[in-house]
Amino acid sequence: GAVVSQHPSWVICKSGTSVKIECRSLDFQATTMFWYRQFPKQSLMLMATSNEGSKATYEQGVEKDKFLINHASLTLSTLTVTSAHPEDSSFYICSALGGAGVNSPLHFGNGTRLTVT
Amino acid sequence: KQEVTQIPAALSVPEGENLVLNCSFTDSAIYNLQWFRQDPGKGLTSLLLIQSSQREQTSGRLNASLDKSSGRSTLYIAASQPGDSATYLCAVRPLGNQGGKLIFGQGTELSVKP
Repeated sequence: GAVVSQHPSWVICKSGTSVKIECRSLDFQATTMFWYRQFPKQSLMLMATSNEGSKATYEQGVEKDKFLINHASLTLSTLTVTSAHPEDSSFYICSALGGAGVNSPLHFGNGTRLTVT
Repeated sequence: KQEVTQIPAALSVPEGENLVLNCSFTDSAIYNLQWFRQDPGKGLTSLLLIQSSQREQTSGRLNASLDKSSGRSTLYIAASQPGDSATYLCAVRPLGNQGGKLIFGQGTELSVKP
């Protein structure tokens, strides 16, 4: 079946540094990918929609200059948390749309646990 | 604005018991509803997907129902096992948005005691 690889699975960084998270579709092309954020014991909240070759669409309240998204190819989207602070510590999950139709399957990565010290 | 609510937030049952998880949503304009399983610190595993025109889907010991008009879905787990312990999330795919955007509920944390 379709696989989405997310890397790294966990990362610890110091406050003020930037962290890049990669999301790859391994055996299919994904023109659209989604980035979610999950705080402990809470649900997934959509941060942004990433479209290959164009600017990402951010949800209300998500700072686009802080969470940089790049979708330069049909198999790779990256999320960069810039100037990270402890409040950015969270679980980040990407998903990739495996087709063009509205009922195309969504495939999720295994998530990245970010801890900012 | 679409909101998805799951009840209960947590549930603990003895092994072998049948159980029902509930999900409600405020806007019936959806393409489909999906149930996921999430183990601690892990990503999501899709369990069942119900299209808006369908009433239910079954997979093994799992059965999910959808009543779009009332904005409700249930996930029925038969003969629960300790390995079923996880957080269960429901999510709807709203109409009119970019395909693939999901709105998630808060999840039900299930614990099955041996």
